[in-house]
Amino acid sequence: GENVEQHPSTLSVQEGDSAVIKCTYSDSASNYFPWYKQELGKRPQLIIDIRSNVGEKKDQRIAVTLNKTAKHFSLHITETQPEDSAVYFCAAPSWGTYKYIFGTGTRLKVLA
Amino acid sequence: KAGVTQTPRYLIKTRGQQVTLSCSPISGHRSVSWYQQTPGQGLQFLFEYFSETQRNKGNFPGRFSGRQFSNSRSEMNVSTLELGDSALYLCASNVGGSSYNEQFFGPGTRLTVL
Repeated sequence: GENVEQHPSTLSVQEGDSAVIKCTYSDSASNYFPWYKQELGKRPQLIIDIRSNVGEKKDQRIAVTLNKTAKHFSLHITETQPEDSAVYFCAAPSWGTYKYIFGTGTRLKVLA
Repeated sequence: KAGVTQTPRYLIKTRGQQVTLSCSPISGHRSVSWYQQTPGQGLQFLFEYFSETQRNKGNFPGRFSGRQFSNSRSEMNVSTLELGDSALYLCASNVGGSSYNEQFFGPGTRLTVL
C-alpha cells in the first residue's frame, strides 16, 4: 500500500541556519507533493507544494525539491527564525484515490 | 469565507461509549476528509467523502464510520470507544475534484477516553 516516510522526526537548528526535511514515498502514481506546517495548538496549513512536472519550487525562504526517480522530496528552510518552530508534515496523495497519506511529521525547533 | 469548523472542540467519554463528531466545510467545498492525530503517529487518514459518497477509507476498524450530508457537512462516529481512541480528530475540506487540491483543516476535536 501507499507509504510516506519522513525524516528526521525532530530537528533542532540555530536561528539563521538552514533546515532540511526529507520524505520518501512508495506510490509511483503520486504526482503532487504538499508540505503542511502545524504550529502548537493550531491546525495544519499548507505552506508549499510541488507537482511532478517540476523539480524545484521556491517561495521566499522555503523551497521544495523533488526527485521522482528516487521517489523522494525535501523541504528546505533557509535563514530559520523562531516562528519557523512547528511540526512539518509532507504528503503524497495518489491520483484518483482521494486519499491523503501524510508522513509522521518533523518537529522543528529553531533555537534563538 | 468562513473556515472549516468542527464541533465539539473537546469531548470526554468512557470506554464502551460512542461519540459523534461534526465537521462543516468551507462553503463550496464538496470533499471532506477525516484524520486521527496522535503523538508520534502523525495524521492518519480515516475516510473521505464527496457528494455524500465515501470514496476511500483508511485502515481503521469498523467502529469508525462517517457520513456526509447533502450540504457537504460531515459527521464521524466511533462506537464502543477504547482508550486508544484518545486523539485529536481533524477534518479537512477541499474543492473536491481531485486528490491534488489543498486541504483546509478544521481546528479539531480532542477526544479523551477514560
